[in-house]
Amino acid sequence: GQQVMQIPQYQHVQEGEDFTTYCNSSTTLSNIQWYKQRPGGHPVFLIQLVKSGEVKKQKRLTFQFGEAKKNSSLHITATQTTDVGTYFCVRASNTGKLIFGQGTTLQVKP
Amino acid sequence: DADVTQTPRNRITKTGKRIMLECSQTKGHDRMYWYRQDPGLGLRLIYYSFDVKDINKGEISDGYSVSRQAQAKFSLSLESAIPNQTALYFCATSSTGAAWNEQFFGPGTRLTVL
Repeated sequence: GQQVMQIPQYQHVQEGEDFTTYCNSSTTLSNIQWYKQRPGGHPVFLIQLVKSGEVKKQKRLTFQFGEAKKNSSLHITATQTTDVGTYFCVRASNTGKLIFGQGTTLQVKP
Repeated sequence: DADVTQTPRNRITKTGKRIMLECSQTKGHDRMYWYRQDPGLGLRLIYYSFDVKDINKGEISDGYSVSRQAQAKFSLSLESAIPNQTALYFCATSSTGAAWNEQFFGPGTRLTVL
C-alpha cells in the first residue's frame, strides 16, 4: 500500500539517446525524492518535488510530479556515460522514513 | 573528508557470529538511519533514530539491533548472523525539520555471512 513502483527495472541506451524512468504510487504522495547511485557507490540526493504538477530541471535532467501526486518521472536528455547508475524514486513518510522504489538501472553504451 | 563514515567497509563472517557495524557523522544531524540493499530490491529501512533517546524499528528489523551512543554515532548489530543477512548496509543522516529532508548516505558496508 505504501510502496512506490518504479519502471523499467533496467534500461540500456546508446549514448546520446534519451532516457525516462517512471514512479507510480497507488496512494497520493506528499512528496517524492529522487536519488542516484553510481555503480559501487552510495545513493546521492538529486531533487525533491512537493507540488502537484511540479517540474524541475537540472541541466539535462527533468523531474516531474503528476497532477494527482501519484506518479513522477525522471527524463534525461541526450544521455552520457556519466549518467550510468541506478535511479531511485523515494517517498518520505510523515515520520521521516524513506521508502525506496526498486530503482531503474541505466547503462549507456558509448 | 567524508561527512558520514562507516566501518568496516567489508566484512566476511560465519553463521552465528555477532557482528557490529558502526556509523559516525560530522554533519551535526539528529536523525540517523540504517538500511540494507539487496540486488533488485532497492534500499529497505532497518532502524532509525531521531535523537539519542529515540530508536524506532523500520520495515525489516528482525535479527538486528541498534545503539545510538551519541548524536554522531549509530551502530547496527547482528546478534547471530545468518547467510540471508548478506547484503550491502548503508547508514544515513538527515537534519531535523520537515519530515522529508534530504538524507546523506555513508559509503556502505558490504557484509558476507558464510
